[in-house]
Amino acid sequence: DSGVTQTPKHLITATGQRVTLRCSPRSGDLSVYWYQQSLDQGLQFLIQYYNGEERAKGNILERFSAQQFPDLHSELNLSSLELGDSALYFCASSKGGQGNTIYFGEGSWLTVV
Amino acid sequence: AQTVTQSQPEMSVQEAETVTLSCTYDTSESNYYLFWYKQPPSRQMILVIRQEAYKQQNATENRFSVNFQKAAKSFSLKISDSQLGDTAMYFCASPNAGNMLTFGGGTRLMVKP
Repeated sequence: DSGVTQTPKHLITATGQRVTLRCSPRSGDLSVYWYQQSLDQGLQFLIQYYNGEERAKGNILERFSAQQFPDLHSELNLSSLELGDSALYFCASSKGGQGNTIYFGEGSWLTVV
Repeated sequence: AQTVTQSQPEMSVQEAETVTLSCTYDTSESNYYLFWYKQPPSRQMILVIRQEAYKQQNATENRFSVNFQKAAKSFSLKISDSQLGDTAMYFCASPNAGNMLTFGGGTRLMVKP
């Protein structure tokens, strides 16, 4: 158990819909990262938050947004969903400085039908 | 920008034998870190081993060890006494100054009985 909690574990939704993925980081970790892994693909960095503020942005679509709340949990919002958004979405956390180990949650499986 | 390259898409090894997975990287950071993550069929991302670039000694974690060659920018993972539970996708990764991980494309390892 990495200590990073993600909900829901699985969800199926229709095209055009909106979903919210939730993440609770490890106790004491200030940094939260979101990654997307499509079928048979590597991990694509989406966005990073540190102590409530956006720190870095990767290949995140405009239809996607995220935030980190004062209690440090984070949410990834995916809207106007398309079939190609079907993927495993990982949340990860770390203490924040370079080289601090990044621990991953079990991921949220999103299937868009 | 960081780049991480894994040149072996798939590998197989007999149970109890040793296998080495290759990884090369490029970074502009003067002080950096390198990681190997394992992703078994459950798709969870599990940290295998971590190497600090300024340390000359290669990291070791039980049956897992690395061969870190800084000048060649090479970071290979050696798995000794391979077990069936080692069957997984293995990702090499390096964080930038903001601790955002760049992943290689992965190597799928099959351990055969």
